[in-house]
Amino acid sequence: GENVEQHPSTLSVQEGDSAVIKCTYSDSASNYFPWYKQELGKRPQLIIDIRSNVGEKKDQRIAVTLNKTAKHFSLHITETQPEDSAVYFCAASFGGTSYGKLTFGQGTILTVHP
Amino acid sequence: GAVVSQHPSWVICKSGTSVKIECRSLDFQATTMFWYRQFPKQSLMLMATSNEGSKATYEQGVEKDKFLINHASLTLSTLTVTSAHPEDSSFYICSARTGGPGELFFGEGSRLTVL
Repeated sequence: GENVEQHPSTLSVQEGDSAVIKCTYSDSASNYFPWYKQELGKRPQLIIDIRSNVGEKKDQRIAVTLNKTAKHFSLHITETQPEDSAVYFCAASFGGTSYGKLTFGQGTILTVHP
Repeated sequence: GAVVSQHPSWVICKSGTSVKIECRSLDFQATTMFWYRQFPKQSLMLMATSNEGSKATYEQGVEKDKFLINHASLTLSTLTVTSAHPEDSSFYICSARTGGPGELFFGEGSRLTVL
């Protein structure tokens, strides 16, 4: 089955700095890669996603890049703010009837210091 | 976006009892729902895929007789933790998709504490 590795496990930055979280996946059939933000005790919230036919996607301060050959994808947050502090999870899945069957990375605790 | 609701949001039970958690899609029909479990400070792990009108598909290592899943309608899936034990204490989250390559929507989660 799919295996997703996420690094780093913790990330501490100063407000205004950029943050980068990286993930690798094992199954070359995976074609959907979402990123979630989860606050303590809350449900995961989708912040951005990318499909395998796209190499990069950006939404305001958040961007995701995908390298299919190397089987890795990254989350980039620019101009970080204290409210960005949370746990971030990457995930991977493949389509068809298995769509929605996500394999998650281990998570990254992001702390943005004012 | 679509709304998925879980109930209860938290439950405390005694060891040996059974607990039922409901997952509802409020404004769309979901032929497939997914149940995840998240232990403290850990990632989400898929437990099973719930299919409307048919048996659930369980991931390797998940006991189907302990975690009973019923998906009797297009808007409701239930997870019953039978004979719960303290090691079953966790955050259980369901998710559903609207069909096709759309966004996956998560419920609020249900925190189970077994004493």
